[in-house]
Amino acid sequence: AQSVTQLGSHVSVSEGALVLLRCNYSSSVPPYLFWYVQYPNQGLQLLLKYTSAATLVKGINGFEAEFKKSETSFHLTKPSAHMSDAAEYFCAVSKNTGNQFYFGTGTSLTVIP
Amino acid sequence: DTAVSQTPKYLVTQMGNDKSIKCEQNLGHDTMYWYKQDSKKFLKIMFSYNNKELIINETVPNRFSPKSPDKAHLNLHINSLELGDSAVYFCASSQDGGRLKLFYEQYFGPGTRLTVT
Repeated sequence: AQSVTQLGSHVSVSEGALVLLRCNYSSSVPPYLFWYVQYPNQGLQLLLKYTSAATLVKGINGFEAEFKKSETSFHLTKPSAHMSDAAEYFCAVSKNTGNQFYFGTGTSLTVIP
Repeated sequence: DTAVSQTPKYLVTQMGNDKSIKCEQNLGHDTMYWYKQDSKKFLKIMFSYNNKELIINETVPNRFSPKSPDKAHLNLHINSLELGDSAVYFCASSQDGGRLKLFYEQYFGPGTRLTVT
């Protein structure tokens, strides 16, 4: 069975500081992993995805994530937070068949000016 | 051009009513989904259709019935609405994995906020 755990339902960082949002997965087979962002009152937008190519994945808006099999982690980072990064972030894992996603519970990012 | 669109954006109705939410995608995708997001932002898949055929049907009350008239549309009909149905409902679509079982990301609509009073 596949699932994801996002540690920290709320994360606050100062503008310009490092953003680190944690995601751990459990999967019986190598997974596909995704990070989505949801801005207030909007749908989900794909930030980046890991599909067994490079372990360091670069996404939009300066975000990146590193797949670490030994730690079963796929943490999302950004070197310098911007006010516009304030949003809800979801980690998701998929079965490699059937197109079914399992979403984490989300992490709300607050950026303090 | 909106890739995945939903109507209406907001829906306020009384308990016991029947309502529908429409979803359309213009991406040429074969697979469409409905998700429910509760007040705590938890996202849970409800249904998935591939080429108009139901492939995922999670534990959802049978008051919820998806209907796919064609590949580009997946509508959600809800009978006898209850207070607990209040949530944001998201439609999404993706390419099919095909024989190679390649996985493609899902594209989400803007959501429909359903409030049952």
